[in-house]
Parts: sequence; C-alpha cells; structure tokens
Amino acid sequence: KQEVTQIPAALSVPEGENLVLNCSFTDSAIYNLQWFRQDPGKGLTSLLLIQSSQREQTSGRLNASLDKSSGRSTLYIAASQPGDSATYLCAVVGNQFYFGTGTSLTVIP
Amino acid sequence: DAGVIQSPRHEVTEMGQEVTLRCKPISGHDYLFWYRQTMMRGLELLIYFNNNVPIDDSGMPEDRFSAKMPNASFSTLKIQPSEPRDSAVYFCASSSNRGRVTGELFFGEGSRLTVL
Repeated sequence: KQEVTQIPAALSVPEGENLVLNCSFTDSAIYNLQWFRQDPGKGLTSLLLIQSSQREQTSGRLNASLDKSSGRSTLYIAASQPGDSATYLCAVVGNQFYFGTGTSLTVIP
Repeated sequence: DAGVIQSPRHEVTEMGQEVTLRCKPISGHDYLFWYRQTMMRGLELLIYFNNNVPIDDSGMPEDRFSAKMPNASFSTLKIQPSEPRDSAVYFCASSSNRGRVTGELFFGEGSRLTVL
C-alpha cells in the first residue's frame, strides 16, 4: 500500500523567507501528485497538480517538483507571507488518492 | 462552476440519531469521493464512485455507514445510528479524467459533525 509522509509536521518561519515543504512516497508507480492547502475550518484547496511525466509546476510564488524515482516531491514557497499560514497536504495518485498528514506552516509577521 | 457543494456545513446530533450528509459534485466530473478528517487519523478515504457506481468502499468503517449516488449530480453519506466517535469533518471531493483516477481533485467545504 502507498505510504505518504510529510516532514516536518509543523514549520514556523519569519515573513519573507523562502521555504521548502517535503513529501515522500513509497510506491513510484503514480499517475500524478497534487499539493493542497487547508485553512482552519475549511476544505482543501488545490494548489498544483504535477503529472507523472512532468518534473515541476509553477504557480505564482509556488513551485512544486516531482522525482518519481526517489519518491519525493517538494513545494517551494518564495517570499513567504503571513497569508501563507495554513496546512499543506500532498496527495499521490495511483488507483486512488493517497494523502500525507500535512505540514502546518506559520509565517510570522 | 460553484465547486463541490456540501450540506449541512454543521450538524450536531445525539447518539443514536440518523445523520445524512449531502454532496453535489462539480458538473461533468465522473469521480466522487467521501473523506473523513480527524485530528487523530488525518484524512481517510471512506468510499468513492465512478459514474455513480461505488468502486471502493473498503474505508467505510462499519455497517452503520452507507453511501449512495443516485445520479451524477448528487450523493449522500448516511450514518445510522450515529455514535460520538463518528464526530469528524466529512469532505466530499470530485474529479474527472476520462475514466482514470488521475484528474485534479476538488474538495467541498466539508460537513462538521458532532455527535453528543
């Protein structure tokens, strides 16, 4: 069964810092990988979707990379802002969506 | 499109009562997923449908839980009888990718259930 791990579980950074969130998975036979953001009391909002044939995707200050062979993905957030504070989850897609437990990010003004 | 729509947003009920959660997926999406989220267990897949047909219900915790999708625009998750340990946020999500579970997944805002 696919296992998805996100480390660290929590991260606190000062505003303006660049940061990297990590996602690792055990089975490299995936179709794609999706990064989500979840604000307290809200649903999950899709940030980026990387197809298995792609290496990375970019949206604004966000850049997600995918290395299937090593079972890793990273989400890079440039010039972090307090509004980026949320929980970030990754999901790998095989025959269903397998979610990590998330990284709780706090950006300190 | 309005996105995935769930109702009710909040439900407080007493143990033993029946609970019905509702979901309207994004129009044109052929996959629908029900998830449950708790602090202890994170996000758990309960069941998913493809073209209104249940494909995998192995995550449904007990026979007290049932889900239906009578048409492409509506699904229900029912708990009968409800128990305090069912308290959680229940999410519905939908996606589409021409017959494979690979499309981008979109979530509703969730239904927060509290069973007293």
